[in-house]
Amino acid sequence: GQSLEQPSEVTAVEGAIVQINCTYQTSGFYGLSWYQQHDGGAPTFLSYNALDGLEETGRFSSFLSRSDSYGYLLLQELQMKDSASYFCAEVRDSSYKLIFGSGTRLLVRP
Amino acid sequence: DGGITQSPKYLFRKEGQNVTLSCEQNLNHDAMYWYRQDPGQGLRLIYYSQIVNDFQKGDIAEGYSVSREKKESFPLTVTSAQKNPTAFYLCASTDSAMMTEAFFGQGTRLTVV
Repeated sequence: GQSLEQPSEVTAVEGAIVQINCTYQTSGFYGLSWYQQHDGGAPTFLSYNALDGLEETGRFSSFLSRSDSYGYLLLQELQMKDSASYFCAEVRDSSYKLIFGSGTRLLVRP
Repeated sequence: DGGITQSPKYLFRKEGQNVTLSCEQNLNHDAMYWYRQDPGQGLRLIYYSQIVNDFQKGDIAEGYSVSREKKESFPLTVTSAQKNPTAFYLCASTDSAMMTEAFFGQGTRLTVV
């Protein structure tokens, strides 16, 4: 089964800030990625963290704390088009195994 | 343009038949992956391959088979042993030196009729 835990659904208002959390298993952990998927489409890459701290890419930022086995994706200045599913994905050790969480469905309201 | 191509986009299969889903990439990536996605669910790893002529089972490999005879190709066969094959199948690839970003194909939607 999935070893990454995310909230199943989050709702926020246009223009607001939302944080999507992800906890992962520690065995063989190499890095944490985030992906966006619109209904019926393919996932697209947003951000990646291998070291502790914050990575900022435009309106999206991602944070990692290895000591807590925890990361989050921060979306600022929310737009209606940000309504989608967001997945955290764990890269494990040297085997290149890439495991995805169950996803968080974000609904942005006017 | 470099990318990853899956075909067909939609596929219908009769019960008891094997079907093969195609995945081709021209990104020169070493690692390739197959995922299954059910409605409203996450991506579950079926098989992955680090290099040519080598592949490993993921979390839900039963009822599926793969081959990796060429670097750019990683076809997935859904066999009759897979009891519930109706799903959305996604193929992905990564640069083995970086592993930071996976590129996905547009997916194949398989329906058993």
